[in-house]
Amino acid sequence: AQSVTQLGSHVSVSEGALVLLRCNYSSSVPPYLFWYVQYPNQGLQLLLKYTSAATLVKGINGFEAEFKKSETSFHLTKPSAHMSDAAEYFCAHRDEKLTFGTGTRLTIIP
Amino acid sequence: NAGVTQTPKFQVLKTGQSMTLQCAQDMNHNSMYWYRQDPGMGLRLIYYSASEGTTDKGEVPNGYNVSRLNKREFSLRLESAAPSQTSVYFCASASGLAGAGYEQYFGPGTRLTVT
Repeated sequence: AQSVTQLGSHVSVSEGALVLLRCNYSSSVPPYLFWYVQYPNQGLQLLLKYTSAATLVKGINGFEAEFKKSETSFHLTKPSAHMSDAAEYFCAHRDEKLTFGTGTRLTIIP
Repeated sequence: NAGVTQTPKFQVLKTGQSMTLQCAQDMNHNSMYWYRQDPGMGLRLIYYSASEGTTDKGEVPNGYNVSRLNKREFSLRLESAAPSQTSVYFCASASGLAGAGYEQYFGPGTRLTVT
């Protein structure tokens, strides 16, 4: 079965520091991959998606993710964390339907 | 545009009661989805509808039924609520199926508690 694994259910970084949220996928076919963000008491919002056009994908709010086939990874990064980035982040992988990872809660330390 | 709307926002049920969660989208999307979100488990697909007139089971369909009333509306029904169905329920829609890489747009969620 195709799946995604998010390493780290909680990540804390200082304001201004690098944000790195990890996602690995398992797939026997080229994947579509997504990162969604969920702010408190809200639905999910798409940050970015990989559809094989380019390995480095830029999203909203300064986030980007790099698809690495050799590592089956699609890690999310942001060079400098902002307080407003505090949220839960979900990696998702497509088959007929989207399969979501279990999420990583990002806390920003002032 | 309102996007994806869900009603109600909050609901408390007693075990055995029934209710229907409503979802509507105004983006002319073909596919619609119902997920539940539980702590530490991410989102799990309950049912989906690839197009008007079709519905299919997802990962966790037991205890639920759905109706794709028309292209805009996709409802989720709990016939006999159980405490295990306490969760946050999200509806989503997309132009096409996730398999083709279409982005899903999510509603704000319904927080359901079954006592």
